[in-house]
Amino acid sequence: GNSVTQMEGPVTLSEEAFLTINCTYTATGYPSLFWYVQYPGEGLQLLLKATKADDKGSNKGFEATYRKETTSFHLEKGSVQVSDSAVYFCALSSLYNFNKFYFGSGTKLNVKP
Amino acid sequence: EAQVTQNPRYLITVTGKKLTVTCSQNMNHEYMSWYRQDPGLGLRQIYYSMNVEVTDKGDVPEGYKVSRKEKRNFPLILESPSPNQTSLYFCASSLSKSKGQGFYNEQFFGPGTRLTVL
Repeated sequence: GNSVTQMEGPVTLSEEAFLTINCTYTATGYPSLFWYVQYPGEGLQLLLKATKADDKGSNKGFEATYRKETTSFHLEKGSVQVSDSAVYFCALSSLYNFNKFYFGSGTKLNVKP
Repeated sequence: EAQVTQNPRYLITVTGKKLTVTCSQNMNHEYMSWYRQDPGLGLRQIYYSMNVEVTDKGDVPEGYKVSRKEKRNFPLILESPSPNQTSLYFCASSLSKSKGQGFYNEQFFGPGTRLTVL
């Protein structure tokens, strides 16, 4: 079946530190992969996506590369800011039914000044 | 402004009292979906709809109903709510986009509805 596994949080970093949030997946074929961000009290927003192997998604300084060999889609940012404090969700949609989505459990990021 | 709206935003109710959470989008999206968010479990898909009168089950459909009579609206119905349906609910909508081989959805989420069933 399809599933997404994320590293458990919370992750606490100082401002300007390097961020990595690990995400691995299980899926049949090559799914589409997404990172969503949820700020306190809000709905989820799409942060970035990759729809085929070796694609790199990027947005607002965040990056993630679709690695089919390791079935991973790790989120990275070179220098985090306090405003990046949020919960980050990794998700996939199946190649065979792109209307079905599977989310990881979320990783809370706290960035201290 | 392009948006997905949900009502109510907060609801406290009692076991067995039927309720409806409304979801509306103004982006003319074909695809809409409902999720519940629970601590440690992330988001789990309840139902989704590919277009008017076309719906299908997600991973956790038990205890929920949906209908899609108009493109913009996708209400979530709890006929007989139980305490285990206490959760944070999100509606989402999207257009399908081609990715060469196949399609994918970029979803836009509503602000959420926090439901407590006593």
